Amino acid sequence: KNEVEQSPQNLTAQEGEFITINCSYSVGISALHWLQQHPGGGIVSLFMLSSGKKKHGRLIATINIQEKHSSLHITASHPRDSAVYICAAPRNTGNQFYFGTGTSLTVIP
Amino acid sequence: DGGITQSPKYLFRKEGQNVTLSCEQNLNHDAMYWYRQDPGQGLRLIYYSQIVNDFQKGDIAEGYSVSREKKESFPLTVTSAQKNPTAFYLCASTGVELNTEAFFGQGTRLTVV
Repeated sequence: KNEVEQSPQNLTAQEGEFITINCSYSVGISALHWLQQHPGGGIVSLFMLSSGKKKHGRLIATINIQEKHSSLHITASHPRDSAVYICAAPRNTGNQFYFGTGTSLTVIP
Repeated sequence: DGGITQSPKYLFRKEGQNVTLSCEQNLNHDAMYWYRQDPGQGLRLIYYSQIVNDFQKGDIAEGYSVSREKKESFPLTVTSAQKNPTAFYLCASTGVELNTEAFFGQGTRLTVV
């Protein structure tokens, strides 16, 4: 069993739809990261959160530490949001991570 | 602007040859990492370094080697001992404080023929 599980694995949405990607983890952590990987392969850090909710533009990330669950929401989705979204939980040693396998999002115009 | 630079973006090598992937950062980060990504799998840690002249093996270090002679640079050599070297390789860096933001490079896609 992976330490970090994401769902769904693949997601196709119409432009404008509200999107939710879920992440569950089995390790004890103090913060969780959401990353975005575009088709070219480069990864950008979207959020690092340890409690509650964070918002950046149309992106919202929530976390429930007690339930070991986090969600990434995209409001008014747009084709440029098409990417792979990865959640990552820090390991206890240094700043290494357990990574989810990613959710591949395609937003259709 | 600060960031991480990986080069080259695409690399082709013949089987049996060693190849070195470059990773440079100007973020003044102490910690640097190399990850491998295969289709349908999460990122897997190859090697990491938390200080100059020191590095540790990750989960899949066999067939790889690294060096950390300068804080800014953490090159990865894929040796001929690596049985399945064709993959996408990502370099990352962080501060050493707990829960600092991670920065990633654009990746190098290595194809061994």
